[in-house]
Amino acid sequence: AQSVTQLDSHVSVSEGTPVLLRCNYSSSYSPSLFWYVQHPNKGLQLLLKYTSAATLVKGINGFEAEFKKSETSFHLTKPSAHMSDAAEYFCVVSASNSGYALNFGKGTSLLVTP
Amino acid sequence: NAGVTQTPKFQVLKTGQSMTLQCAQDMNHNSMYWYRQDPGMGLRLIYYSASEGTTDKGEVPNGYNVSRLNKREFSLRLESAAPSQTSVYFCATGRGGNEQFFGPGTRLTVL
Repeated sequence: AQSVTQLDSHVSVSEGTPVLLRCNYSSSYSPSLFWYVQHPNKGLQLLLKYTSAATLVKGINGFEAEFKKSETSFHLTKPSAHMSDAAEYFCVVSASNSGYALNFGKGTSLLVTP
Repeated sequence: NAGVTQTPKFQVLKTGQSMTLQCAQDMNHNSMYWYRQDPGMGLRLIYYSASEGTTDKGEVPNGYNVSRLNKREFSLRLESAAPSQTSVYFCATGRGGNEQFFGPGTRLTVL
């Protein structure tokens, strides 16, 4: 079965400093991986996706993630945090054994301080 | 294009009452999904429909039923609501292995 583990439930950064949100995955084959963002009391928005093309994936709002098979990781990064980045971030893997439903990590809450 | 729409946006029920959450998509996708979101748990799959006329259980199906009415519509029914079903419910649609597109959610409280 495919699953993901988000290693930090909360991350706090200062505005203008780098962001690193960590995610490890478990899959018996090359997975489809995603990062979604959810702002307070809002729906889910796709940040970026990895589907076995380039291992470095660029997303919206300056975010990017690198797929590392040897480390089974898919960490999300951004060079400089903005106040508007404060939100809940979910690492997600697509599960082929249930109609390609998404298996979500438990989420990382990003706090950005002035 | 509206994408994925859900109704209602908010609902308060008493224990034992029933209700149906509606979801519709205009993205022409075959697959539709219902998830629930609880604090600290991420989203968990309740039911999914890989194509019109088929439905299957997900991780947390107990207490729910679904109907895939046609390609566009996928409804979720709570026959006898329980406080443990207090949650935010999201409908999604997608195409095998690719990203999914989510509705705005329904915030349900069961007293």
